[in-house]
Amino acid sequence: AQTVTQSQPEMSVQEAETVTLSCTYDTSESDYYLFWYKQPPSRQMILVIRQEAYKQQNATENRFSVNFQKAAKSFSLKISDSQLGDAAMYFCAYRAPNTGNQFYFGTGTSLTVIP
Amino acid sequence: GAGVSQSPSNKVTEKGKDVELRCDPISGHTALYWYRQSLGQGLEFLIYFQGNSAPDKSGLPSDRFSAERTGGSVSTLTIQRTQQEDSAVYLCASSPGGRGRNTIYFGEGSWLTVV
Repeated sequence: AQTVTQSQPEMSVQEAETVTLSCTYDTSESDYYLFWYKQPPSRQMILVIRQEAYKQQNATENRFSVNFQKAAKSFSLKISDSQLGDAAMYFCAYRAPNTGNQFYFGTGTSLTVIP
Repeated sequence: GAGVSQSPSNKVTEKGKDVELRCDPISGHTALYWYRQSLGQGLEFLIYFQGNSAPDKSGLPSDRFSAERTGGSVSTLTIQRTQQEDSAVYLCASSPGGRGRNTIYFGEGSWLTVV
């Protein structure tokens, strides 16, 4: 079965600084998609960014960018110019259309933003 | 509505009672997922519906848990003879399904407390 590992249960960052959240995954598929979701205290899961495995270019969404290393099966999230509203749980997720189309989630990283 | 709707948002029940949690996915979405999130934990997959296909029930933790999806739309997750360890947030999500870069959209969850 596919697994997604987030090795950092908790992270903190000073406001306006940059932080990187780690994610690794295990798969034998070549066609898959990777996602980062944010879950603030309201519990609503929000898509932050997604990456198609066939694309070599790292996805970017404003202050959020990823470092996708396909050979290393690594998918880290970089948050630049951190804001207080970025404080949340962040979940890495994987999906492979050819193997059940499931979404597999990591255990999450709790991000604290220090004013 | 525009998003995934779940009800009730909060439910307190006595140990041994049955509970039903409802999910109304985004209109037109063929895929529907149930996840469980225990306090401070990641997302545990429970069950997945895709169109008219047989659901993937591989994540249901015991035979006390069941789910159905009527008419390819609304889904109900039923927990019989609830136990204290069932206390968690139950998240429903839907997706347009199929291949491609489609993502998964979550509801706000149903917070179940078994006392």
